[in-house]
Amino acid sequence: GDSVTQMEGPVTLSEEAFLTINCTYTATGYPSLFWYVQYPGEGLQLLLKATKADDKGSNKGFEATYRKETTSFHLEKGSVQVSDSAVYFCALQGSGNDYKLSFGAGTTVTVRA
Amino acid sequence: DAMVIQNPRYQVTQFGKPVTLSCSQTLNHNVMYWYQQKSSQAPKLLFHYYDKDFNNEADTPDNFQSRRPNTSFCFLDIRSPGLGDAAMYLCATSPARDWTYEQYFGPGTRLTVT
Repeated sequence: GDSVTQMEGPVTLSEEAFLTINCTYTATGYPSLFWYVQYPGEGLQLLLKATKADDKGSNKGFEATYRKETTSFHLEKGSVQVSDSAVYFCALQGSGNDYKLSFGAGTTVTVRA
Repeated sequence: DAMVIQNPRYQVTQFGKPVTLSCSQTLNHNVMYWYQQKSSQAPKLLFHYYDKDFNNEADTPDNFQSRRPNTSFCFLDIRSPGLGDAAMYLCATSPARDWTYEQYFGPGTRLTVT
């Protein structure tokens, strides 16, 4: 079945550092890929998405490119801020008429001033 | 703003005492989901509705039930909460269009069982 593997955290960075969170997936067909962010005590917010190979999703300085050849969707940000401290989830929606998401385990990111 | 609303944000119930969590949406989305999330783990899908069509996950305990009286509202009923049911409960919706079912989450209800 479909699955998502995320790099384990926690990740601790200094402000203005470069952030990468690795995400790889296993799926048949052409899934859609998402990054969600969860701030402390809150629900998940959609950060960005990509629905086909080579698509790049971007939002709030974050980017991720759907790489079918490496089955990856790594999240990157060039210069993090303290306000980026959160848990980040990579997720996959299988191709076809599939209403469900498969989530990665989540990566906790802490940015220090 | 269109959104997903969950009430209450914090709920305390006693062991074995039934509790209902509510979710409403102004997005007019076809699909509504309920998730259980523990300690920053990935959310675990309990069930979802596509319109009035109910879909239960195979490993969702019978103790958890759901109702969707109309497009806007969905309820999660826990018939006899145990200590292990203490968690964050997240409601989400999806427009179910163009074969991409991105989900929009509410802020969650933190359930404590005493």
